[in-house]
Amino acid sequence: GQQLNQSPQSMFIQEGEDVSMNCTSSSIFNTWLWYKQEPGEGPVLLIALYKAGELTSNGRLTAQFGITRKDSFLNISASIPSDVGIYFCAGLGTSYGKLTFGQGTILTVHP
Amino acid sequence: DTEVTQTPKHLVMGMTNKKSLKCEQHMGHRAMYWYKQKAKKPPELMFVYSYEKLSINESVPSRFSPECPNSSLLNLHLHALQPEDSALYLCASSLSQGTVYGYTFGSGTRLTVV
Repeated sequence: GQQLNQSPQSMFIQEGEDVSMNCTSSSIFNTWLWYKQEPGEGPVLLIALYKAGELTSNGRLTAQFGITRKDSFLNISASIPSDVGIYFCAGLGTSYGKLTFGQGTILTVHP
Repeated sequence: DTEVTQTPKHLVMGMTNKKSLKCEQHMGHRAMYWYKQKAKKPPELMFVYSYEKLSINESVPSRFSPECPNSSLLNLHLHALQPEDSALYLCASSLSQGTVYGYTFGSGTRLTVV
């Protein structure tokens, strides 16, 4: 089946630093999603990308849908302690209605 | 209403018990999903319902039995579970199967099997 490789697996940063994470695949995806999950909660959608090459921002978050449709990145600028959580990329590909998830990036922000 | 509501939030059950998880949405979404998630791992798809009919079963053991009584409700009936079934069970919904528009997750039910 389709797989997503998400990196890095974890990040430990200081408050105020910028963060970058990405997902790559050998398969084409039609839609890319970025989620954040905090302990004891479900994933919350941060950004959805629908077109190859699309660059979308949501506050301090910026994400891009790779031109090849096989990758996406998420940047967080000027991190703050409440950015702590696990970030997942997810892609909707050729399997009807099935999201493929990356393995997640665990983000820790030190004040 | 833009939420997916799951109850209960926590559940502890014995291996011989029968219990049910409930999921509700009032966004008019016609696709609903059950996922299983282990700690610090991505969600794993279990079932997809489209227009109240089971569309995808990801080879889930029969001790998990989904039910979609109407377009707003999704249940997951549990029977004779094993300790390794302990996990966070997430419900999600989207406008329709095959689209991610409005793809929303609930907060999950934390299940512990003892």
